[in-house]
Amino acid sequence: NAGVTQTPKFQVLKTGQSMTLQCAQDMNHNSMYWYRQDPGMGLRLIYYSASEGTTDKGEVPNGYNVSRLNKREFSLRLESAAPSQTSVYFCASSEALLQGTDTQYFGPGTRLTVL
Amino acid sequence: AQTVTQSQPEMSVQEAETVTLSCTYDTSESNYYLFWYKQPPSRQMILVIRQEAYKQQNATENRFSVNFQKAAKSFSLKISDSQLGDTAMYFCAFMKHFGNEKLTFGTGTRLTIIP
Repeated sequence: NAGVTQTPKFQVLKTGQSMTLQCAQDMNHNSMYWYRQDPGMGLRLIYYSASEGTTDKGEVPNGYNVSRLNKREFSLRLESAAPSQTSVYFCASSEALLQGTDTQYFGPGTRLTVL
Repeated sequence: AQTVTQSQPEMSVQEAETVTLSCTYDTSESNYYLFWYKQPPSRQMILVIRQEAYKQQNATENRFSVNFQKAAKSFSLKISDSQLGDTAMYFCAFMKHFGNEKLTFGTGTRLTIIP
């Protein structure tokens, strides 16, 4: 099992460009998440998906959109990148929301720089 | 809203010694989960240990153990017989038991194991 995979690992964008970060998990998990990590701060939740077909905003959703393509894949889109979105982005997954809290497993992260 | 505080930005310890990382949290919930995640230079977020608030017994995982003090809202991590591979950022995180999968992270402690 690869666990949670993310592509790309690194990306540099110019202000105003758009891009999509891809995430996939092979653990048959129901819930998936997108976090961002900024220097001196812990991870903050951008969006999450409790199950296929549903998405909800987290703590810092502005400037982002997400798509839960199927049970395995959860993408994060920046429509018009801004320097404030320079960060490391982590995708995570967990087994089940409705059955109670469960451990989240993280991907390797994507380092995004917006010039 | 929940908050998680890690008051030690950096720590260092000699190899083979024991080190304790501190974490306090604030919540009005009675049921919740607490986690310690490790982030080595590879940037991967790795689950170290997890504690359910309804369990009085402190969780242990090999050389890693916690001191969970529910009344004091304290959740410290003890690493025994520290190894060079323990060098990493360590994040304390909080999650409600039901209904909300959001992980709230502290700002992290950078731990360096000195040979």
